[in-house]
Amino acid sequence: AQKVTQAQTEISVVEKEDVTLDCVYETRDTTYYLFWYKQPPSGELVFLIRRNSFDEQNEISGRYSWNFQKSTSSFNFTITASQVVDSAVYFCALSELGSQGNLIFGKGTKLSVKP
Amino acid sequence: GAGVSQSPSNKVTEKGKDVELRCDPISGHTALYWYRQRLGQGLEFLIYFQGNSAPDKSGLPSDRFSAERTGESVSTLTIQRTQQEDSAVYLCASSFVGYNEQFFGPGTRLTVL
Repeated sequence: AQKVTQAQTEISVVEKEDVTLDCVYETRDTTYYLFWYKQPPSGELVFLIRRNSFDEQNEISGRYSWNFQKSTSSFNFTITASQVVDSAVYFCALSELGSQGNLIFGKGTKLSVKP
Repeated sequence: GAGVSQSPSNKVTEKGKDVELRCDPISGHTALYWYRQRLGQGLEFLIYFQGNSAPDKSGLPSDRFSAERTGESVSTLTIQRTQQEDSAVYLCASSFVGYNEQFFGPGTRLTVL
């Protein structure tokens, strides 16, 4: 069965600290997609990244980076030099090839960045 | 261009009443998804449309829930005889095709008294 686990319910850091949000997934498919979304206090989900299961290269986008490791079924997200505007709930999600694209979400990690 | 829009933004209803929630996807997006987010929880998949057909209704929690879509345009999610456990934010998302990144609307916050 497919499942996404975000073990960290809440994380609080001080501005400029680095923070890593963990995501572990379960799937029987060999072809799947992994996503991260940000949900700021306004409520609207913002797409951050999509990764397919055949691309294990790590990705960096500004202060954001993602570490995909198939061996541990993890797709972790790191924010470098965090800022107050990074405060949000972050969701990791999985889409299996046979699912026609619907996303299986983790329960989210609430990140609070304090000045 | 315009993003995904949903209406109403808030809906308060009494237990037992029917409600209709509307979603306008991004123009040109063939895939449309409905999700439900209960307070403090992740999102639960409800239904997927490809064009105006719904090949995957597996997430609908009961037969009180139904949805339809007109062509590759507007979709409505209907909840009949609402119950208090239906209280949640209902989110709509669209994508160009399945498996691409989904763009989410702002959601409809439903409160059943």
